[in-house]
Amino acid sequence: EVQLVQSGAEVKKSGESLRISCKGSGYNFGTYWIGWVRQMPGKGLEWMGIIYPGDSNIIYSPSFQGQVTFSADKSINTAYLQWSSLKASDTAIYYCARQTSGWAEIAYWGQGTLVTVSS
Amino acid sequence: QSVLTQPPSASGTPGQRVTISCSGSSSNIGTNYVYWYQQLPGTAPRLLIYMDDRRPSGVPDRFSGSKSGASASLAISGLRSEDEADYYCAGWDDRPSGRVVFGGGTKLTVL
Repeated sequence: EVQLVQSGAEVKKSGESLRISCKGSGYNFGTYWIGWVRQMPGKGLEWMGIIYPGDSNIIYSPSFQGQVTFSADKSINTAYLQWSSLKASDTAIYYCARQTSGWAEIAYWGQGTLVTVSS
Repeated sequence: QSVLTQPPSASGTPGQRVTISCSGSSSNIGTNYVYWYQQLPGTAPRLLIYMDDRRPSGVPDRFSGSKSGASASLAISGLRSEDEADYYCAGWDDRPSGRVVFGGGTKLTVL
């Protein structure tokens, strides 16, 4: 069974750094793209970008380019989403999501990680 | 402003058929597939329809998708209380640079 398990909720202050994780199991982690999706409080879904763990090829959405960093360690089946300096506007639920075949075809989702940033 | 346009809300009574629209352009669902997601309160989204009109295993056939040009629709027949959720359309947008785009979401209320 394919599973994506994300790290727990975080409470941070503006300016702090943060890395959240997404561990995959039940499939060959290195051969499927993993994407990240943001959902701000009471708002819709926003695609942040995607990483291929096999070679760490990355596509960032223009809206998030330069704001976050994706990485992956295929030896431990884990993808990461990182901020170097958080802002209050980064407060959101972040989902990791595994592509199936099409770029927008996401059959598997993590449970979400709530990031709360106080100013 | 979302690249794909959905009505913010829809409603129906149990047993009814409701449709949710998704309008895009030639750079996204006009030339690429459309996908639909259901998000129940407090949960992660779930893939409901892929490649315009196909259902993953486990999705009831009450849910169906269609597309014409750069517009798509999700239809839910035999509406049930457990269908009350947010629904999102999504697709790949070729411009200005490739990215996945979502609609703004439609909150479905079962009256």
